[in-house]
Amino acid sequence: DSGVTQTPKHLITATGQRVTLRCSPRSGDLSVYWYQQSLDQGLQFLIQYYNGEERAKGNILERFSAQQFPDLHSELNLSSLELGDSALYFCASNRGQPLNEQFFGPGTRLTVL
Amino acid sequence: AQSVAQPEDQVNVAEGNPLTVKCTYSVSGNPYLFWYVQYPNRGLQFLLKYITGDNLVKGSYGFEAEFNKSQTSFHLKKPSALVSDSALYFCAVRDMNRDDKIIFGKGTRLHILP
Repeated sequence: DSGVTQTPKHLITATGQRVTLRCSPRSGDLSVYWYQQSLDQGLQFLIQYYNGEERAKGNILERFSAQQFPDLHSELNLSSLELGDSALYFCASNRGQPLNEQFFGPGTRLTVL
Repeated sequence: AQSVAQPEDQVNVAEGNPLTVKCTYSVSGNPYLFWYVQYPNRGLQFLLKYITGDNLVKGSYGFEAEFNKSQTSFHLKKPSALVSDSALYFCAVRDMNRDDKIIFGKGTRLHILP
């Protein structure tokens, strides 16, 4: 158990809909990272937050947004969903230093029908 | 731009034999290098990292990796494979001189045959 929790575990929704994925980092971790894992694209970095502020941005679509709250939990919002958004979404956390490894949550499996 | 390549989609090794999972990288500055493992239906787990110093890095579960600057490689190795090592392995790189982005390879599926 990494100490990172993600909810929900599974999510099934329809195209055009909007969903919110939630992540609670390990106790004491200030940084939260979001990743998308799909069969064809592999593991893609989406976005990183550090202590409430956006720190780095990856291949995140404009339809996607994220935020980190004062209690350090984070939410990833996916809107106008398309079939191709079906994937595993992982959250990871660490203290925020580049040297630190990341601790991954169990993921949320999103299925868009 | 930084990048990382795992040239093999799948590696098959007999139990008890040594294993190697290959990784090469490209960064403009000095690299931070990581290996992670993903078991079925689980998140990624950290195995080991190279920051600086000894080129041979030891990690969890008996794994080690060798940093080779001239070949820009960071291959993952284990002297004697176990069936329980079967999983998906990811190499990752972060450029020390850039922002906090970490780039993951596409992953290599390791099958250990009993």
